[in-house]
Amino acid sequence: DAKTTQPPSMDCAEGRAANLPCNHSTISGNEYVYWYRQIHSQGPQYIIHGLKNNETNEMASLIITEDRKSSTLILPHATLRDTAVYYCIVRVGGTGNQFYFGTGTSLTVIP
Amino acid sequence: GAVVSQHPSRVICKSGTSVKIECRSLDFQATTMFWYRQFPKQSLMLMATSNEGSKATYEQGVEKDKFLINHASLTLSTLTVTSAHPEDSSFYICSARDYGAGYNEQFFGPGTRLTVL
Repeated sequence: DAKTTQPPSMDCAEGRAANLPCNHSTISGNEYVYWYRQIHSQGPQYIIHGLKNNETNEMASLIITEDRKSSTLILPHATLRDTAVYYCIVRVGGTGNQFYFGTGTSLTVIP
Repeated sequence: GAVVSQHPSRVICKSGTSVKIECRSLDFQATTMFWYRQFPKQSLMLMATSNEGSKATYEQGVEKDKFLINHASLTLSTLTVTSAHPEDSSFYICSARDYGAGYNEQFFGPGTRLTVL
């Protein structure tokens, strides 16, 4: 699986949009981009994933560049409960394919 | 969404004892489950891939005789830490994919905090 690079930490004001970048310059054509988050001492929570089109769900939006070498997770209106470590992962789709976690971005939402 | 549970959520044991951790998919069938370990302030590290009805596949550097994995049914995988030592103290997390959902995401359990005295 391709490696990802994320900033180690970010702050965001409550109510504002949080934009979390991820670099995956060696991504392969059949690899998806996944985003998970982990609130302290809990299991990771699925947020969103995409292949090449931008995606949106009730939690967030995922913007993938046209060359697919980077992506941005957008939390449109950050709340204090969004404080967590956010992981960007790239992997080939399929039942048995593993997730390899990088170091992630620790997002702190400030009141 | 799909729910994965783990039991126990927290366990404290003496050095040299064995500890079993259960991972269950509550409302779906999971032919494949994954086990991770996470040390404080570090990321999740994949330990092994657990396949129902067959032997687990371990990541490089993970001792298969130390961390026994059994995936006897489509809803249950167990991780047994044998002869646990203080350095095995960690947060153990499992995940599973909802085989029938047609999606690619994995769902994670809440984790088990193991402390070896």
